[in-house]
Amino acid sequence: AQRVTQPEKLLSVFKGAPVELKCNYSYSGSPELFWYVQYSRQRLQLLLRHISRESIKGFTADLNKGETSFHLKKPFAQEEDSAMYYCALMTTNAGKSTFGDGTTLTVKP
Amino acid sequence: GAGVSQSPRYKVAKRGQDVALRCDPISGHVSLFWYQQALGQGPEFLTYFQNEAQLDKSGLPSDRFFAERPEGSVSTLKIQRTQQEDSAVYLCASTKRPIAEFYNEQFFGPGTRLTVL
Repeated sequence: AQRVTQPEKLLSVFKGAPVELKCNYSYSGSPELFWYVQYSRQRLQLLLRHISRESIKGFTADLNKGETSFHLKKPFAQEEDSAMYYCALMTTNAGKSTFGDGTTLTVKP
Repeated sequence: GAGVSQSPRYKVAKRGQDVALRCDPISGHVSLFWYQQALGQGPEFLTYFQNEAQLDKSGLPSDRFFAERPEGSVSTLKIQRTQQEDSAVYLCASTKRPIAEFYNEQFFGPGTRLTVL
């Protein structure tokens, strides 16, 4: 069975500080990992996916298969980054996605 | 349309009532997903369609839950004899191509908040 764990329900940092949102997963096969974000009063949207190795809004995430982690990082947090962040795993060639329970990030001025 | 739409946005049902939740995916999107999101938790997969075919319904919690997409576009999630534990936000998402191809982005709707009294 696949599982995604986000150990922090709440994370608060000051503007300009680095931020790391943790995500650990368990899956026996080769996973596809994603980060989704939900801003206040908006719908859930894709932030980034591991396979693209991209940086979106200054965020990056590296898949570490040895540690089964996919932590989301940003070197300098901005107030507009305040949102709920979900880590998700999709099994290859299958439709089922497994989401973590989310981390609420608050960036204080 | 501009994105995935869902209706109604809010639904209050008395315990034992049947409800039907509608999802209009982005036009032309092949795959459609339903998720259930309880308060304080992440979305949980319910079922997945590719066109009109329901390829995975392993996440449906009981036989009271039924989903259909008869013409491969609009989908309806039906819950019979609602229970209090069915109270949640029900999310719909669609993707442009079949999921078996290289992963393509899921576009989410705003959700339907169901409250069962």
